[in-house]
Amino acid sequence: AQSVTQLDSQVPVFEEAPVELRCNYSSSVSVYLFWYVQYPNQGLQLLLKYLSGSTLVKGINGFEAEFNKSQTSFHLRKPSVHISDTAEYFCAVSDRNQGGKLIFGQGTELSVKP
Amino acid sequence: GAGVSQSPRYKVAKRGQDVALRCDPISGHVSLFWYQQALGQGPEFLTYFQNEAQLDKSGLPSDRFFAERPEGSVSTLKIQRTQQEDSAVYLCASSSRGDSNQPQHFGDGTRLSIL
Repeated sequence: AQSVTQLDSQVPVFEEAPVELRCNYSSSVSVYLFWYVQYPNQGLQLLLKYLSGSTLVKGINGFEAEFNKSQTSFHLRKPSVHISDTAEYFCAVSDRNQGGKLIFGQGTELSVKP
Repeated sequence: GAGVSQSPRYKVAKRGQDVALRCDPISGHVSLFWYQQALGQGPEFLTYFQNEAQLDKSGLPSDRFFAERPEGSVSTLKIQRTQQEDSAVYLCASSSRGDSNQPQHFGDGTRLSIL
């Protein structure tokens, strides 16, 4: 069965510093990869997705992620964070043959401090 | 345009009561998903519909959980004889097609508390 591991449960960082949120998934079969952000008391909002092609994908709010098949990783990065980026971030994988259900990681709480 | 709408936003019930949670997907979206998010955890898949057909219910934790989407639009998740471990946020998501590469659009969830 698919699984997703987010290696850091909490990441504190100062405003304007770079950040990387790490994500590894279990399976090497064909998958689609997603990063979602969740603000308090809200649903999840899509940041970016990897379907195929270029391994570097750019998303909203200045975020990007790199798909690394050999390491089964999909780490999320931002070169300079803002206070407003404070939120919970979820990495998710969808198996191409299972109708689209998402398997989520445990989440990483990004806390941006002034 | 309207996003995914879930109601109620908050629901408190006593253990043993039945509850019904509603999801209005984005108009025209074929696929609809239900997830359960426990406190401090990532969402976990419950069930999936393509139009009115329930194609995958492998994530439903027990036979107390039942979901339906009779006309291929609005969906209801019903929990019978609620238990304290059912306390969680229940998220609904929809996507435009039945392909697994389509991004899912999430509602704000229903926070269920069982006393």
